[in-house]
Amino acid sequence: KQEVTQIPAALSVPEGENLVLNCSFTDSAIYNLQWFRQDPGKGLTSLLLIQSSQREQTSGRLNASLDKSSGRSTLYIAASQPGDSATYLCAVARGMVNTGFQKLVFGTGTRLLVSP
Amino acid sequence: DTAVSQTPKYLVTQMGNDKSIKCEQNLGHDTMYWYKQDSKKFLKIMFSYNNKELIINETVPNRFSPKSPDKAHLNLHINSLELGDSAVYFCASSQGGWASEKTGELFFGEGSRLTVL
Repeated sequence: KQEVTQIPAALSVPEGENLVLNCSFTDSAIYNLQWFRQDPGKGLTSLLLIQSSQREQTSGRLNASLDKSSGRSTLYIAASQPGDSATYLCAVARGMVNTGFQKLVFGTGTRLLVSP
Repeated sequence: DTAVSQTPKYLVTQMGNDKSIKCEQNLGHDTMYWYKQDSKKFLKIMFSYNNKELIINETVPNRFSPKSPDKAHLNLHINSLELGDSAVYFCASSQGGWASEKTGELFFGEGSRLTVL
C-alpha cells in the first residue's frame, strides 16, 4: 500500500527566504509525481509534474526533484513571497493491478506561511 | 474561462436527503475524477471515468452514484445523506489516466462543500 508523507506539516518563514518542502513515499513503483498548491477554500492548482524517468522540473521560482529509489521528492521555492502562502500537496501516481489505470495517492500536505 | 467547474459551491442539507453535484470540464480531457477531502484536509479518490466508462470505484458506498453523460461531464449523486458525508468534494480531469508516463497533470475544480445536518 502506497503511503505518502510530507514534512514539515507546517512552516512559517519571513519573506525572501529560500525553502524546501519534503515528500516521501513508500513504494517506488510510481509513474509520476505531482506537486499542487491549495489556497484556503479553493481547489488544487498543479505546480509541477515529474515523470518517473525525470529527475527534476522547474517553473519560475519553483524546482521539484524526484529520487524514485529513495522514495523522495523535494519542492524548492526560491525567494519566497507572501503570495506563496498556501498548503502544498504532493501526489504520486501508481498503477492499479486489475485495471491498468493509474491512481493518485496524496500526501498530508505542508501548510506554508510567508510573512512580509 | 473556468477549466473545471463544479456546482453548487456550497450545499447544506438534512440527513436522509438526496443531493447532486455537477462537474464540467472544457479542457478536452478524456478522464475525470471525484475526490473527497475530509476535515483533516486529506484527499482521497472516489471515482474515475475514462471516456464515460467507470474505471475506479474506490470502495465508496452504493449511496454515491456517479454519472458521466459525456466525457466533458461527471456528476455525483448522493442518496440518503449521512453526517459522515460532510466534506469538500473535488472534481478533476486529466488527459489520459492509464498507468504510463503519458498521463497528464490533473486539473481541479474549486470544490463543493457539503454540510449534512
